[in-house]
Amino acid sequence: SQTIHQWPATLVQPVGSPLSLECTVEGTSNPNLYWYRQAAGRGLQLLFYSVGIGQISSEVPQNLSASRPQDRQFILSSKKLLLSDSGFYLCAWSVRRTNEKLFFGSGTQLSVL
Amino acid sequence: AQSVTQLDSHVSVSEGTPVLLRCNYSSSYSPSLFWYVQHPNKGLQLLLKYTSAATLVKGINGFEAEFKKSETSFHLTKPSAHMSDAAEYFCVVSDRNTGGFKTIFGAGTRLFVKA
Repeated sequence: SQTIHQWPATLVQPVGSPLSLECTVEGTSNPNLYWYRQAAGRGLQLLFYSVGIGQISSEVPQNLSASRPQDRQFILSSKKLLLSDSGFYLCAWSVRRTNEKLFFGSGTQLSVL
Repeated sequence: AQSVTQLDSHVSVSEGTPVLLRCNYSSSYSPSLFWYVQHPNKGLQLLLKYTSAATLVKGINGFEAEFKKSETSFHLTKPSAHMSDAAEYFCVVSDRNTGGFKTIFGAGTRLFVKA
């Protein structure tokens, strides 16, 4: 069966520090991969999506970047965090061919202080 | 360009009365459309999906949605609200894009159910 792992679950970082959030998927191949951010009282904002290794599409100009070094690994990074980067980050995947539904990781609550 | 608009940020109904949550979308192709629900402090759960088959889609917990291409709408309905339906609901549109899919969420509609 397929599983998705996202870590860490919570993170408190000072302004100006770097960030690395990691997401891995097991039990499938060639997934669509996504990073979303959910702010309190707001919907899920699509940050990045990827259809293959090294293929990253950025949706919102911002302080973040994403990479897909392996087929089932998706990394969200920042060189210098801003206060506005605080939020709940969700990794998700879907089957590339059918796109039946999204499967979500458990999320990372990031607080930038 | 792909977009999704949920027309109401909050909807309040009485228990036993109908629910209508409105969603309009914009897509360059033939999109797949979804509704997800998120209960407080819970993860996202798929309610139903439209993927170019029947335009009236039935989901879990008595919810259904109708795809109307001419109106670019995908409104979510339920004949009779239950207290347990109180949650946040997200309309989602997904389009084919460069070999995969790009999936975006609406801003969400918070449903309140009064006893």
